[in-house]
Amino acid sequence: ETGVTQSPTHLIKTRGQQVTLRCSSQSGHNTVSWYQQALGQGPQFIFQYYREEENGRGNFPPRFSGLQFPNYSSELNVNALELDDSALYLCASSHQTKLELFFGEGSRLTVL
Amino acid sequence: AQRVTQPEKLLSVFKGAPVELKCNYSYSGSPELFWYVQYSRQRLQLLLRHISRESIKGFTADLNKGETSFHLKKPFAQEEDSAMYYCALRGGTSYGKLTFGQGTILTVHP
Repeated sequence: ETGVTQSPTHLIKTRGQQVTLRCSSQSGHNTVSWYQQALGQGPQFIFQYYREEENGRGNFPPRFSGLQFPNYSSELNVNALELDDSALYLCASSHQTKLELFFGEGSRLTVL
Repeated sequence: AQRVTQPEKLLSVFKGAPVELKCNYSYSGSPELFWYVQYSRQRLQLLLRHISRESIKGFTADLNKGETSFHLKKPFAQEEDSAMYYCALRGGTSYGKLTFGQGTILTVHP
């Protein structure tokens, strides 16, 4: 069984740029969630996708957007990057009716 | 609003000693509570959930609705328990939406 994989593992961007992070869900999982984890903090929920539609969003501005594809893989897009967007971005997949989230190892974004 | 508080950022104990990681929550409805753990150089993973009322790796946690707490306990800590522990709450219908605490780093000394 393949676990949740994320790419890239590390990247550096400058303020104002755009970034796309990718996630492949665990086999059999139809729900994907994205989290932002700033240094020294717990993960913070960005949004969730189910059947290719957003169905839950945390307190993040619209410049954070996402996609889920028919194969349940997902993308997180962040526009107009700000310094405070520097963080570890975690993807988690689950089955809609199950309680457990399976996390990827994360993509560490640094905004200069 | 949902909120999870873990008052201790760091917790150190000796091997064989009891350990308790504290977690308090704020939520107006009926929450689901979880403990997630991250061992060194590993990804975040579920340790246990209150619904299951199970013991995993010797750890237990009881949901106390009166005190709005979900403390994690183990009677005899082991060195391999050293890790970052996060308490998390799910409220509402978005299955993927968890509210995490800031985490507690547990170090078990030999």
